[in-house]
Amino acid sequence: DAKTTQPTSMDCAEGRAANLPCNHSTISGNEYVYWYRQIHSQGPQYIIHGLKNNETNEMASLIITEDRKSSTLILPHATLRDTAVYYCIVRVPSYNNNDMRFGAGTRLTVKP
Amino acid sequence: NAGVMQNPRHLVRRRGQEARLRCSPMKGHSHVYWYRQLPEEGLKFMVYLQKENIIDESGMPKERFSAEFPKEGPSILRIQQVVRGDSAAYFCASSPPGLAGFAKNIQYFGAGTRLSVL
Repeated sequence: DAKTTQPTSMDCAEGRAANLPCNHSTISGNEYVYWYRQIHSQGPQYIIHGLKNNETNEMASLIITEDRKSSTLILPHATLRDTAVYYCIVRVPSYNNNDMRFGAGTRLTVKP
Repeated sequence: NAGVMQNPRHLVRRRGQEARLRCSPMKGHSHVYWYRQLPEEGLKFMVYLQKENIIDESGMPKERFSAEFPKEGPSILRIQQVVRGDSAAYFCASSPPGLAGFAKNIQYFGAGTRLSVL
């Protein structure tokens, strides 16, 4: 699996967009980019995933560069409840090896 | 549609006792994953099971830990003769069967069981 690099921590003002970067320069053609987050003391929560096209859902947008070596998760209007650790994971979905490999993630703090 | 249910939420054991952690996947999900999170650390994969089968247990400690997912009932993570180093949050996740689940590789997590070993 491709290695991912994320900043250790970031701050964001409430109501502003939070842009969380992720580098995955060794990503292979069949690897997807997944984002999860973990709010303090809770189980991780799936946010969004993509292969090569930009994706948007009710929670966030995922922007993947054309060379796929990096991506950005965008929370368009961050709230205090978005304070969490955000994990970027690169993985090939397969039948026999379907676990998620969580790194250290980015600790996002949304401030009033 | 209930989510992934884990119980108990908190479990206290003395050294040498056994801990049994239960996980009921989301309705219709037949794939279960167990993860461990030590204090101030990230989640580490332990084991991946399908009904009655262990698919990947590469993250499981070789001794004292076992997991099962019977045909009927919840998945069980069992820790025998617990030690203080087993104190952690244990999370279970599930995903749906079939190509859709694999292609998306989306896992839905429970709230976790926090094990404290005295």
